[in-house]
Amino acid sequence: EIVMTQSPVTLSVSPGGRATLSCRASQGVNSNLAWYQQKPGQAPRLLIDGASTRATDIPARFSGSGSGTEFTLTISSLQSEDFADYFCQQYESWPWTFGLGTKVEIK
Amino acid sequence: EVQLLQSGGGLVQPGESLRLSCAASGFTFSNYAMNWVRQAPGTGLEWVSSIGGNDGKTYYSDSVKGRFTISRDNSKNTLSLQMNSLRAQDTAVYYCARKKGGYYGLDNWGQGTPVTVSS
Repeated sequence: EIVMTQSPVTLSVSPGGRATLSCRASQGVNSNLAWYQQKPGQAPRLLIDGASTRATDIPARFSGSGSGTEFTLTISSLQSEDFADYFCQQYESWPWTFGLGTKVEIK
Repeated sequence: EVQLLQSGGGLVQPGESLRLSCAASGFTFSNYAMNWVRQAPGTGLEWVSSIGGNDGKTYYSDSVKGRFTISRDNSKNTLSLQMNSLRAQDTAVYYCARKKGGYYGLDNWGQGTPVTVSS
């Protein structure tokens, strides 16, 4: 099973600031990596798949990069609606696995 | 508009069974793999099971293999998860989600349905 490790656990950022979230895979996953945003009481929402492709209607301030084992999600200028939990997920091999998440909170 | 409307769920005792359903609309259901993902209280996401669009090939996490069965009815645009021999550790919010193909993520999710296994 591929273990996904996200860091940091919590990230405190000021509105308008930049957030950089990391995700590391225990084995290479090529570009089969997705990022999701989840707000309390809501279902996750796909932000990025293919490691760097924004999903439909996702603002350009969200960007993904990386391949193999190291991945990054960057939010360039945090808006109030961006404070949430973020999860990475690999779908390179079964079982698909998620990271434990990064909570982006207001500084 | 893509919609995944979940039903089922609730409170059951350990060892009992439950069936979850997910009704899809707004897209060609058979073109998508469908999936179940769960989230235990206060924790992260756990993939549970997947089923192919047309071939119906199924996959399960080790934690549910042999107890849960995923199925789909492409004529009724419906996904199901039959959960047997439920355990306290199965307590979670269960989400259905669609996936277009190998290179894509889970791009649309149901609203989630809570399952509580407790005596």
